[in-house]
Amino acid sequence: GDQVEQSPSALSLHEGTSSALRCNFTTTTRSVQWFRQNSRGSLINLFYLASGTKENGRLKSAFDSKELYSTLHIRDAQLEDSGTYFCAGTSSGQKLVFGQGTILKVYL
Amino acid sequence: EAAVTQSPRSKVAVTGGKVTLSCHQTNNHDYMYWYRQDTGHGLRLIHYSYVADSTEKGDIPDGYKASRPSQENFSLILELASLSQTAVYFCASSDPKNSGNTLYFGEGSRLIVV
Repeated sequence: GDQVEQSPSALSLHEGTSSALRCNFTTTTRSVQWFRQNSRGSLINLFYLASGTKENGRLKSAFDSKELYSTLHIRDAQLEDSGTYFCAGTSSGQKLVFGQGTILKVYL
Repeated sequence: EAAVTQSPRSKVAVTGGKVTLSCHQTNNHDYMYWYRQDTGHGLRLIHYSYVADSTEKGDIPDGYKASRPSQENFSLILELASLSQTAVYFCASSDPKNSGNTLYFGEGSRLIVV
């Protein structure tokens, strides 16, 4: 089965609201990265975490390597946050395994 | 400027033909990767390399070869393109020693095999 399970698969948010995305890992994971893919297809790295939490503006991510999950919180969603969000975990070596993505749409 | 550049950005290839996708990075990173993305899905690793003149198989290497002639350049080669290889291909680089293996992606190469 899939090593990285991402949820939800799609999410619609009213501008100004907040929500969280989640990734569950089925195998030991040393680190996690979160990416946003915009409408042009470009992949932007949002966070790299080996443990704990990181915050950048309205985005905050956490990684629990014991419980094998990571979250990405989006606060005060804006239209430009729309896109597809991917998490990816590293279990061995430097290979990343990606989740299937969450399609986020922010509307007025 | 973009630190990971891919070429071509878009290509239509004939079934059975040879396709070469090129990637150039100016990040001074040791690791480079090739991923493919199919519509509505995440990325899957095809090949990667951690040093020039050496490549490693990823999770879906069948039908693909890779070449790393220098630290900056990493190519993906489809010797006999097939319809199932229609996808968007992404190159990435990383430096595990200095930035926690954060991946930096190119803009992608859209390949259509007809």
